[in-house]
Amino acid sequence: NAGVTQTPKFQVLKTGQSMTLQCAQDMNHNSMYWYRQDPGMGLRLIYYSASEGTTDKGEVPNGYNVSRLNKREFSLRLESAAPSQTSVYFCASSDWTGPNYGYTFGSGTRLTVV
Amino acid sequence: GDSVTQMEGPVTLSEEAFLTINCTYTATGYPSLFWYVQYPGEGLQLLLKATKADDKGSNKGFEATYRKETTSFHLEKGSVQVSDSAVYFCALQGGATNKLIFGTGTLLAVQP
Repeated sequence: NAGVTQTPKFQVLKTGQSMTLQCAQDMNHNSMYWYRQDPGMGLRLIYYSASEGTTDKGEVPNGYNVSRLNKREFSLRLESAAPSQTSVYFCASSDWTGPNYGYTFGSGTRLTVV
Repeated sequence: GDSVTQMEGPVTLSEEAFLTINCTYTATGYPSLFWYVQYPGEGLQLLLKATKADDKGSNKGFEATYRKETTSFHLEKGSVQVSDSAVYFCALQGGATNKLIFGTGTLLAVQP
C-alpha cells in the first residue's frame, strides 16, 4: 500500500544509547519531515528535508541528526538518548500539488528512554 | 511567527450531539488550513482542508469554513458517533517553506 512506513514501532533505550529511526515513502514526494508528539504540546518539528540532498532544523533539533538518504528515505538519529527524548515520533511526507495536497503521516515510533 | 490556537479538551459529548472545535490562527498572507484526526494508537490522517478564504472543506460529515475576517477554521459536525472519538489537530501551511504548523490538539470523547 502506498504511504509512509516507519520502523520500529516501539523501542526502549537506556540513557546514552544511540539509535536510528527509519522512514520511507513511496509516493514520490519531495519533502519529508520528522515530528515529535508529547502530551499537551501537539506536534513539534524536529527536522525537515525540502528536497533530496537538503535538510534543515525545525523547532526542536537539539539531540538529533537526520539523513536524507535518497528521495524515498529520511532517517532520524539519536546519538546519545536522554529521558527527555521519550516521545512518539512521526515521519511525514508532503505533496503540495494535486488532490492529496498536504502531509501523509507514518504510524509513528513510540520511544521510551530509561 | 505563524501559529495556531485551538480549544483545549477534552470535549465530552453524547452520541448524536452537535460538535464544534474552535481553531484560530495567526499568519502572514493567506495560508492553507487543515484539520487532521488521530485515532488511538495511530498516526495523523487528513480530515479536510481549505486553501483560500471562504472555502469550505468537508469529509465524513465534518465541515470547516476558512474565515479570513475572523482568522478562524472551526470544525463542526451535526451528529457525532462513538467512532469519532479521537484527537483533532488544526494546522496551517506556513509561508514559503510549506511546513505545517499544528495546534496542540483537542481530544474528543463521544459516549453512547
